[in-house]
Amino acid sequence: GAGVSQSPSNKVTEKGKDVELRCDPISGHTALYWYRQSLGQGLEFLIYFQGNSAPDKSGLPSDRFSAERTGGSVSTLTIQRTQQEDSAVYLCASAPGRRTGELFFGEGSRLTVL
Amino acid sequence: AQRVTQPEKLLSVFKGAPVELKCNYSYSGSPELFWYVQYSRQRLQLLLRHISRESIKGFTADLNKGETSFHLKKPFAQEEDSAMYYCALSGNTNAGKSTFGDGTTLTVKP
Repeated sequence: GAGVSQSPSNKVTEKGKDVELRCDPISGHTALYWYRQSLGQGLEFLIYFQGNSAPDKSGLPSDRFSAERTGGSVSTLTIQRTQQEDSAVYLCASAPGRRTGELFFGEGSRLTVL
Repeated sequence: AQRVTQPEKLLSVFKGAPVELKCNYSYSGSPELFWYVQYSRQRLQLLLRHISRESIKGFTADLNKGETSFHLKKPFAQEEDSAMYYCALSGNTNAGKSTFGDGTTLTVKP
């Protein structure tokens, strides 16, 4: 079966441009997470969606970052006016239930801001 | 608040030596604990969960509620065990949100 799919796998952009990263979770999974992983660093939590509940945005580093999840499925992470420090791998994960248990991760979107 | 602490950012052992990756947690309730692994150029994936009480790739982890720990152990490390390991907690507060530790990079030297 299909796993979590992320696109693009690689994105190179210029400082100041906006970027959108997409995540297709496993069908039927109610929970969806976005994380950021900088080179050699651990996971940095960004945002958590659970069903129809208000998302937990507590990890978003600035108001340049936003995310949406349409129809309880696909999610888009948007970074406005990108900065060089935004360069990282952005990981998406989904999980089947309210108590999320095992998370299933995508392969990530590698963002490079020049 | 739920919190996961992995005190070692880097851990290096020789092949054949025992290895223990430490994980401590803070949670008021009955959490589920997990270990995830990320091999080079591969996606992050589940290694094992405490409720399964199983051994995966020779690794085991026992939940110690008294010490609030969930250390990952393997008696004889192999070079292919070199990877990034994350401890994670899932509870029924915070809308079921999972919390990850900062990760430990394990290097097994030949």
